[in-house]
Amino acid sequence: DQQVKQNSPSLSVQEGRISILNCDYTNSMFDYFLWYKKYPAEGPTFLISISSIKDKNEDGRFTVFLNKSAKHLSLHIVPSQPGDSAVYFCAAADSNYQLIWGAGTKLIIKP
Amino acid sequence: DTAVSQTPKYLVTQMGNDKSIKCEQNLGHDTMYWYKQDSKKFLKIMFSYNNKELIINETVPNRFSPKSPDKAHLNLHINSLELGDSAVYFCASSQDWRPGGQYFGPGTRLTVL
Repeated sequence: DQQVKQNSPSLSVQEGRISILNCDYTNSMFDYFLWYKKYPAEGPTFLISISSIKDKNEDGRFTVFLNKSAKHLSLHIVPSQPGDSAVYFCAAADSNYQLIWGAGTKLIIKP
Repeated sequence: DTAVSQTPKYLVTQMGNDKSIKCEQNLGHDTMYWYKQDSKKFLKIMFSYNNKELIINETVPNRFSPKSPDKAHLNLHINSLELGDSAVYFCASSQDWRPGGQYFGPGTRLTVL
């Protein structure tokens, strides 16, 4: 049973435009949501997070939006840069603070 | 300096063998983890361990066992390897539970033939 879903395996965006990565979850008890970025042959690195009591968190070019009623969150990257090309994982923290991960979305930024 | 390192990076072995993957962190963190990334690319936690408590994901076969010689190391031992064990294994560490507080190693790609 996939509690965290990233339905788009890949996404291609023109450099300078907005990248929007989506994530859906099923467990309404999740307290925190996180986005990780992963380059090939490296481990995931933390990008940005959001608490379930907020609906938006912004850090530079990265903004995460949370819609609890829809059990949906999204990551916006504006403007997209070539170095943003990577796999992005959405993760949610359960009551034991264990992370439940999505399958990832491969973002390709085209020059 | 690499914060979380794993060796080997690639491991190819035959079914039935016993193998180990080593993990070291130089961040002074108290808690270490092992994750498995399966063929569908999901990262699933296998173990979390600090000097007080080992938390095991109940879906992990008992052929897998973490061994921690000291706070900076958490090695993963796998007995009687099976084809389905082929995956990328990631080690991670954290000081406490904070959003984004886990630091990951580069992964070990295990292939069982």
